[in-house]
Amino acid sequence: KAGVTQTPRYLIKTRGQQVTLSCSPISGHRSVSWYQQTPGQGLQFLFEYFSETQRNKGNFPGRFSGRQFSNSRSEMNVSTLELGDSALYLCASSFPSGGSGETQYFGPGTRLLVL
Amino acid sequence: GENVEQHPSTLSVQEGDSAVIKCTYSDSASNYFPWYKQELGKGPQLIIDIRSNVGEKKDQRIAVTLNKTAKHFSLHITETQPEDSAVYFCAAKGSARQLTFGSGTQLTVLP
Repeated sequence: KAGVTQTPRYLIKTRGQQVTLSCSPISGHRSVSWYQQTPGQGLQFLFEYFSETQRNKGNFPGRFSGRQFSNSRSEMNVSTLELGDSALYLCASSFPSGGSGETQYFGPGTRLLVL
Repeated sequence: GENVEQHPSTLSVQEGDSAVIKCTYSDSASNYFPWYKQELGKGPQLIIDIRSNVGEKKDQRIAVTLNKTAKHFSLHITETQPEDSAVYFCAAKGSARQLTFGSGTQLTVLP
């Protein structure tokens, strides 16, 4: 069974631009969570989607948004990029419902560099 | 919200020795505790997890113990090998229904 895939793997943007990252979960998984990983703040939860609905949200500004499609694929968008948004963005999927205790499997991440 | 503290931040062991990484959590409602291994340039890989109704779980050379009273859990790796070298993260899921991660431990296994 194929793992979680994320595209693109690497991205360079300039301040003020916006970016969209994509995540395809493991087949049959219905929950997708997004995380930001930086050397200073570590792994931080952004949001979780289940059945096309945002079920949970971390403490990030409104510039960070996401959505999930009917096939469980998910995208996250960051608008008005800042230098501090440079990070590894990780997507994780879980089965069957993403509820408490469900195992999350991570993708390889998208490395975003903001210049 | 949940706070997870992880120690040590770096750990060096000789090949064949054991390694122990410890984590504490703050939310008494936490009921799920996974451990992830992250190699350079890759996403975190689940290596073992434990739920709050279990005190210990073992999978070959890896074991995790959970003490709910003290709110701490530990990862034990026996007979370490060079390929065990990586960053290890603990995490906890509590009342906020989201994974909160520890700050990571860089494990180096010296040949």
